[in-house]
Amino acid sequence: IAGITQAPTSQILAAGRRMTLRCTQDMRHNAMYWYRQDLGLGLRLIHYSNTAGTTGKGEVPDGYSVSRANTDDFPLTLASAVPSQTSVYFCASSASRITSGANVLTFGAGSRLTVL
Amino acid sequence: GENVGLHLPTLSVQEGDNSIINCAYSNSASDYFIWYKQESGKGPQFIIDIRSNMDKRQGQRVTVLLNKTVKHLSLQIAATQPGDSAVYFCAEINSGGYQKVTFGIGTKLQVIP
Repeated sequence: IAGITQAPTSQILAAGRRMTLRCTQDMRHNAMYWYRQDLGLGLRLIHYSNTAGTTGKGEVPDGYSVSRANTDDFPLTLASAVPSQTSVYFCASSASRITSGANVLTFGAGSRLTVL
Repeated sequence: GENVGLHLPTLSVQEGDNSIINCAYSNSASDYFIWYKQESGKGPQFIIDIRSNMDKRQGQRVTVLLNKTVKHLSLQIAATQPGDSAVYFCAEINSGGYQKVTFGIGTKLQVIP
């Protein structure tokens, strides 16, 4: 089934540890995104990539880094996790620029991260 | 209004009744809007979208209404079913330029059997 695969689905992590959340899509979408979702707040963009080889900062990029070596993969790394990074993380993709119809965001199932 | 602190706004509806979920958006330059449905433990799923040159769009059992004058969006679900129980949130997009997508915090729809 075409879509986005995220791993792990859930992780408990000690503060200060490094963690990489994986995201793979098989739809050949150009654009990919990482969001975090916290209760009482809307989805907030962490980082994005409009095409392979390029990345950009979203509204809450601090403490996170991404890479886009190829079209399919877009890993998110927490270099030194802190408790405020406890959240549910969603990877998403879109065919290209978000305008309408087929270019809407497609989301993965999420990765629940708890930093102690 | 959307933000009520740590608790999502909740709408409880009897099965078979119609549901109306509201969303106030913030940017008058937004020209494209999407409604998403998020079931527990899953990622958001596209339901329906509308462009700013329209004020109404209908899908299967769902209708989105857009009032640009007051920057208000609503999602109407006809004959609500237990499978409609989820969190629903809107997204506003300025499709030109930076293409920033802003999401609402969501409304939890509880369908009472």
